[in-house]
Amino acid sequence: SYDLTQPLSMSVSLGQTARITCGGNNIGSKNVHWYRQKPGQAPVLVIFSDNNRPSWIPERFSGSNSGNTATLTISRAQAGDEADYYCQLWDSSTGVFGGGTKLTVL
Amino acid sequence: QVQLVQSGAEVKKPGASVKVSCKASGYSFTAYYIHWVRQAPGQGLQWMGWINPNTGGTNYARKFQGRVTMTRDTSISTVYMELFRLRSDDTAVYYCASPATAVEGGFDFWGQGTLVTVSS
Repeated sequence: SYDLTQPLSMSVSLGQTARITCGGNNIGSKNVHWYRQKPGQAPVLVIFSDNNRPSWIPERFSGSNSGNTATLTISRAQAGDEADYYCQLWDSSTGVFGGGTKLTVL
Repeated sequence: QVQLVQSGAEVKKPGASVKVSCKASGYSFTAYYIHWVRQAPGQGLQWMGWINPNTGGTNYARKFQGRVTMTRDTSISTVYMELFRLRSDDTAVYYCASPATAVEGGFDFWGQGTLVTVSS
């Protein structure tokens, strides 16, 4: 089975840039999606297919994917960005999620 | 707008089964696949499988094969996920979710979640 590795937690100062990584074997050959989940809420898609933003997501969110690492970048971090973030992809018709990263905004 | 509305919380005993519904609105019901994703308390997200509302075809994650069935009722734009032989570690919030593009796209739309508690 395909495994995705995310840091358990990370922090970012208000107004600074957070980069959340998602590691997997040759992940750069796959389409990676990212979700934000706040406590007690359903996940929300923030990036699809590596680097595309849904219409409801601000430009501060961006993504990249190459080699063995995909990255979600959040610029000018705000207090409202504090949440759990999950990467996700498809491998042999099976949905795979990373373990999630808890982002704290200081 | 697209909405996925799920049925309410359930409490079940070990060995029982549970059936969770997900009613779609705001779009053509047969246009998008519906997936099920679950989240145990304090844990991450786990994909369970999908159903094609148009054909009724399904694809289940290996972990759940033989223990899950996904069905649909096109007359009421509703899909169902039934999980059998429940165990305590099936306690989780179950979400239906849908990609608005390809069957294996990102999940644009999510239901509100249904808490299933398995306890004797």
